[in-house]
Amino acid sequence: GQQLNQSPQSMFIQEGEDVSMNCTSSSIFNTWLWYKQEPGEGPVLLIALYKAGELTSNGRLTAQFGITRKDSFLNISASIPSDVGIYFCAGRAAGNKLTFGGGTRVLVKP
Amino acid sequence: EAGVTQSPTHLIKTRGQQVTLRCSPISGHTSVYWYQQALGLGLQFLLWYDEGEERNRGNFPPRFSGRQFPNYSSELNVNALELEDSALYLCASSLMQGPGDTQYFGPGTRLTVL
Repeated sequence: GQQLNQSPQSMFIQEGEDVSMNCTSSSIFNTWLWYKQEPGEGPVLLIALYKAGELTSNGRLTAQFGITRKDSFLNISASIPSDVGIYFCAGRAAGNKLTFGGGTRVLVKP
Repeated sequence: EAGVTQSPTHLIKTRGQQVTLRCSPISGHTSVYWYQQALGLGLQFLLWYDEGEERNRGNFPPRFSGRQFPNYSSELNVNALELEDSALYLCASSLMQGPGDTQYFGPGTRLTVL
């Protein structure tokens, strides 16, 4: 079946840093979505991408739909403590179901 | 506008029991999706309902089933509960199918099987 490889699995951020995470797949997707999940809550949609090559921003977040349709990245600029959480990429192909990456856990540097 | 709602928020059951989880989609959304998120793991697709019909199913045994009602709300039923069914069960809804589809999630139901 389809699989998404999301990296890194975890990262530490320092306030003010820019951070980046990405997802790659062996299959083509029609839609890429990026979600953030905080403990005990459901994922919250951050950015939706519908066209290959599309670059979309939402505040300090920027995501791109890879030109090959097999990858996507998410950048967070000037990170702040509330950026802590788990970020998931999700790809949608046929059948409307979403395939999720394993998540990137963002933590604050001690 | 109210988001996706789920009930109950938490549930504790014992092995062999049956459970029903409920989901109300965002007003106007016709598609409802169910996902299982085991502790520390990613989301696994369970079921997709649209216009009262099951449209797609993930790789789960038949004891996971559900339905969608005429008002587009949905139930997820799990029979003969096993310990490994302990997870956060998430419901999502979307307005449309096809390239514009975007799924919005509810807060989830935390199921613990003892």
